[in-house]
Amino acid sequence: SQKIEQNSEALNIQEGKTATLTCNYTNYSPAYLQWYRQDPGRGPVFLLLIRENEKEKRKERLKVTFDTTLKQSLFHITASQPADSATYLCALGDNSGYSTLTFGKGTMLLVSP
Amino acid sequence: KAGVTQTPRYLIKTRGQQVTLSCSPISGHRSVSWYQQTPGQGLQFLFEYFSETQRNKGNFPGRFSGRQFSNSRSEMNVSTLELGDSALYLCASSLDGTSSYNEQFFGPGTRLTVL
Repeated sequence: SQKIEQNSEALNIQEGKTATLTCNYTNYSPAYLQWYRQDPGRGPVFLLLIRENEKEKRKERLKVTFDTTLKQSLFHITASQPADSATYLCALGDNSGYSTLTFGKGTMLLVSP
Repeated sequence: KAGVTQTPRYLIKTRGQQVTLSCSPISGHRSVSWYQQTPGQGLQFLFEYFSETQRNKGNFPGRFSGRQFSNSRSEMNVSTLELGDSALYLCASSLDGTSSYNEQFFGPGTRLTVL
């Protein structure tokens, strides 16, 4: 069955450092991958999308890589700030035409001043 | 543009009861998906509606059902509630659902507690 793994342990880093979150998947051939941010008590908020034929995507301080051979995506936040503290979810989608996403359980990021 | 709205935000029910949750997507969005989020299982897909038709369904029992109206508003219903149905139910809308690359816009969720 499809499996998406994200670090279950919280990632603690200091302000100004680069945070790197990992998303690994098995038994899946996604057409694209999305990253979302979720704050406590709120719904996820879309951050970035990367397609299977793309290696890297950037948006401001965010960078996502997608390696379909390793079946892995890395999500980087450079110059991290305490406001970046949240849970980050990766989600995979296929090319069925549906909007259905398969989510990982998320990694909590804590950025200390 | 107003975001996705969900009502009610919080709900407490007892086992055996049924519940109806409502979702209003962003204006112009025609695809609505529902997800269940629990600490143990994370976000799990329930079903997706597009143009009043259920297009895709997750692996949930038949007690979970939904529908979509002509104005794209959607409701989901859970009958014969069980303790394990306690969760955050999230609704997400996307533009037209015909492209696989549509980002999804989530509502704040309905927190359902079953006692």
